[in-house]
Amino acid sequence: DAGVTQSPTHLIKTRGQQVTLRCSPKSGHDTVSWYQQALGQGPQFIFQYYEEEERQRGNFPDRFSGHQFPNYSSELNVNALLLGDSALYLCASSFRDNEQFFGPGTRLTVL
Amino acid sequence: GENVEQHPSTLSVQEGDSAVIKCTYSDSASNYFPWYKQELGKGPQLIIDIRSNVGEKKDQRIAVTLNKTAKHFSLHITETQPEDSAVYFCAALKNYGGSQGNLIFGKGTKLSVKP
Repeated sequence: DAGVTQSPTHLIKTRGQQVTLRCSPKSGHDTVSWYQQALGQGPQFIFQYYEEEERQRGNFPDRFSGHQFPNYSSELNVNALLLGDSALYLCASSFRDNEQFFGPGTRLTVL
Repeated sequence: GENVEQHPSTLSVQEGDSAVIKCTYSDSASNYFPWYKQELGKGPQLIIDIRSNVGEKKDQRIAVTLNKTAKHFSLHITETQPEDSAVYFCAALKNYGGSQGNLIFGKGTKLSVKP
């Protein structure tokens, strides 16, 4: 049983560019949450998708947007990248209870 | 909103000793408290969790306790081994009327187990 997968593993962008990160949830899971983890910090909640809609959102600007597809996979888009967006982006999936399982993350570096 | 504080930030123990990591939360409506282990270059791995209707839970060498009155919860690792070395995060979550909530994490504890 494959766990949560994310792509790409690493990504380097320059300021002002746009980026799309992808996540495939664990088999049987229908909810995807995205988190940003800065170096040396705990993950911070960005938003959560369920039934192809954004259900909750953390304290992140509108530059951060997402999408969930009918197969429950999800994308995170970040526009107008800033240096401060450099972080590990984590996707977590769950099914109708609280247990969230994380993927390996995408390391984004903004130069 | 919810705030989770975690202590200590670093912890060094000898192999075979016990390790304890403590967290406090601010929102009394939080009802789910997981612990994650994160190794270098990897995503967080769920190692144990506890719900607000339970005071203690144990899984082999790992146990978690919850004191709802004091809004404290703790992770206990006994008979530590070098492979337990990692960063550990506590988190709290509040369900919103049946829908799932978002995890609020502590800042992490770097545990080092010396052989």
